[in-house]
Amino acid sequence: EAQVTQNPRYLITVTGKKLTVTCSQNMNHEYMSWYRQDPGLGLRQIYYSMNVEVTDKGDVPEGYKVSRKEKRNFPLILESPSPNQTSLYFCASSFTGRDSVWNSPLHFGNGTRLTVT
Amino acid sequence: GQQVMQIPQYQHVQEGEDFTTYCNSSTTLSNIQWYKQRPGGHPVFLIQLVKSGEVKKQKRLTFQFGEAKKNSSLHITATQTTDVGTYFCAGRGSGNTGKLIFGQGTTLQVKP
Repeated sequence: EAQVTQNPRYLITVTGKKLTVTCSQNMNHEYMSWYRQDPGLGLRQIYYSMNVEVTDKGDVPEGYKVSRKEKRNFPLILESPSPNQTSLYFCASSFTGRDSVWNSPLHFGNGTRLTVT
Repeated sequence: GQQVMQIPQYQHVQEGEDFTTYCNSSTTLSNIQWYKQRPGGHPVFLIQLVKSGEVKKQKRLTFQFGEAKKNSSLHITATQTTDVGTYFCAGRGSGNTGKLIFGQGTTLQVKP
């Protein structure tokens, strides 16, 4: 089954304790992205990756790191989590399309609800 | 930078009433996508609009892309309780970039 798998679904941690949220897709998508969802703010892009070893900042990258060593995986790393990073996080992937035309939908994972105390 | 504004933030309707959510971009978009997120779920792709003035329908849902490709709307006719959720528009600017900017979303509640 084609899917984007995020783990864990729920995570409660304390300030400053490094954590990693994993994301894996089995659709051979070039593009992967991380979003955070907060009430009233919609989905804000944290980082994205156009392909292996190619990553770039989204709109809210501060406090986060990513890596894209393999096409299927795109982990989100919080080196020193703080309470303002408490949020619902989504990983998403898509094809980049032909001829530089983006015409593919995003496929989202089920989300990771992170609480930092 | 590019911004996508979506209104209203919340909408409560009686079952059978119509519903519309609007998206406006500060810049011209190459395309716009619409997603639906059920309560407790993840966003699911509904449709993509690419052409100026494009109108697409999916059963009771009608999607429009403005002539200037800076605004879009989603209209639901005769809402049902299964329509409950948050609807997001997402606009992509010109050029082959990874920046898909989401609107804030409109949360629809339907009273039976």
